[in-house]
Amino acid sequence: QQQVKQSPQSLIVQKGGISIINCAYENTAFDYFPWYQQFPGKGPALLIAIRPDVSEKKEGRFTISFNKSAKQFSLHIMDSQPGDSATYFCAASNAGNMLTFGGGTRLMVKP
Amino acid sequence: DTAVSQTPKYLVTQMGNDKSIKCEQNLGHDTMYWYKQDSKKFLKIMFSYNNKELIINETVPNRFSPKSPDKAHLNLHINSLELGDSAVYFCASSQSMDTDTQYFGPGTRLTVL
Repeated sequence: QQQVKQSPQSLIVQKGGISIINCAYENTAFDYFPWYQQFPGKGPALLIAIRPDVSEKKEGRFTISFNKSAKQFSLHIMDSQPGDSATYFCAASNAGNMLTFGGGTRLMVKP
Repeated sequence: DTAVSQTPKYLVTQMGNDKSIKCEQNLGHDTMYWYKQDSKKFLKIMFSYNNKELIINETVPNRFSPKSPDKAHLNLHINSLELGDSAVYFCASSQSMDTDTQYFGPGTRLTVL
């Protein structure tokens, strides 16, 4: 049972455009929702994270929107750059800090 | 100064062999993890260790065993390797099991022939 579903699997965006990746979760006990960025041959690195007590969090060009009632959250990348090309993973965790990952989105930003 | 390091980076071996992957973190963290990333890039947690005690053990085969000589190290031992064990294995650490940010190592690509 996949507890965190992520879409789309792949995304192509023009430089300067907005990249949007969506995730939906099932376990209402989740209380922490991070996004990780992974470049080829590297380990995932934390990009931005949110807790369910807020509906939005922004850090630079990256914004998480969170909808607790719908059990959905999304990552928005404003002014997308070629250097943002990577695989993005949403995740969720609760007590014990066990991360459950979505399936990943391969983002390509075209110059 | 690598925060979380793994050795080796690549591991190619035959079916039935026993192998180990080492992980070290220099962040002073109390909790360490092992994740498996399959060929479709799906990441799944395998183990979590807090202060040298196993606290989470996902439904992985008992051929896999984590061993922690001290809180800075969490090694992964795999016995009787199978073709399906081929994957990239990531070690990660966090300040504690209550702290959420996990820092990942560079990964070890295991290929079983």
